[in-house]
Amino acid sequence: ILNVEQSPQSLHVQEGDSTNFTCSFPSSNFYALHWYRWETAKSPEALFVMTLNGDEKKKGRISATLNTKEGYSYLYIKGSQPEDSATYLCAFNLNYGGSQGNLIFGKGTKLSVKP
Amino acid sequence: SQTIHQWPATLVQPVGSPLSLECTVEGTSNPNLYWYRQAAGRGLQLLFYSVGIGQISSEVPQNLSASRPQDRQFILSSKKLLLSDSGFYLCAGSLAGGEYFGPGTRLTVL
Repeated sequence: ILNVEQSPQSLHVQEGDSTNFTCSFPSSNFYALHWYRWETAKSPEALFVMTLNGDEKKKGRISATLNTKEGYSYLYIKGSQPEDSATYLCAFNLNYGGSQGNLIFGKGTKLSVKP
Repeated sequence: SQTIHQWPATLVQPVGSPLSLECTVEGTSNPNLYWYRQAAGRGLQLLFYSVGIGQISSEVPQNLSASRPQDRQFILSSKKLLLSDSGFYLCAGSLAGGEYFGPGTRLTVL
């Protein structure tokens, strides 16, 4: 069974705190790793897509790293703001004969940032 | 526990044939439901969302349609599939306690 595990399940921080989440995925048959930010009743917002081991991507105060050999990715938020409150989803594309395969989602990390 | 079921898991259909993908929700009532598609090399794209029975909003124009005949049932359909409809289709729901995805359907249109 292929699983994507995210931790922690939920996180409560104060405004200004920096935080990070973990996504673990199968290291074999890797094609791509996605991070999404999802606010309730809205469409998930794509943050990053990473395909290469050692990839590091940054978007404003949010950054992510990827280790395909050991099967994990970290998402970092620097100086959290209340508007960062959302569920952060990690998703893993299987390698389907060299092409993009099924997308398997983790259950997300729910972040709440208190002003 | 709240679960989203989807079927079939994989589907291979000829161009021009009809499509029906079903999504059902277990363990909760009155969820917001969504259909997403991931085409090859692309991210997740919202196709339809529904806040209740018979209430469907379409996000992108296409040859697909959606229906919600019951509170916990969401159906994605097409009368005539195109090659560009190939992709991975995900049903998702905003349920009590969080957002959940179904296992997905891989559709290949030949």
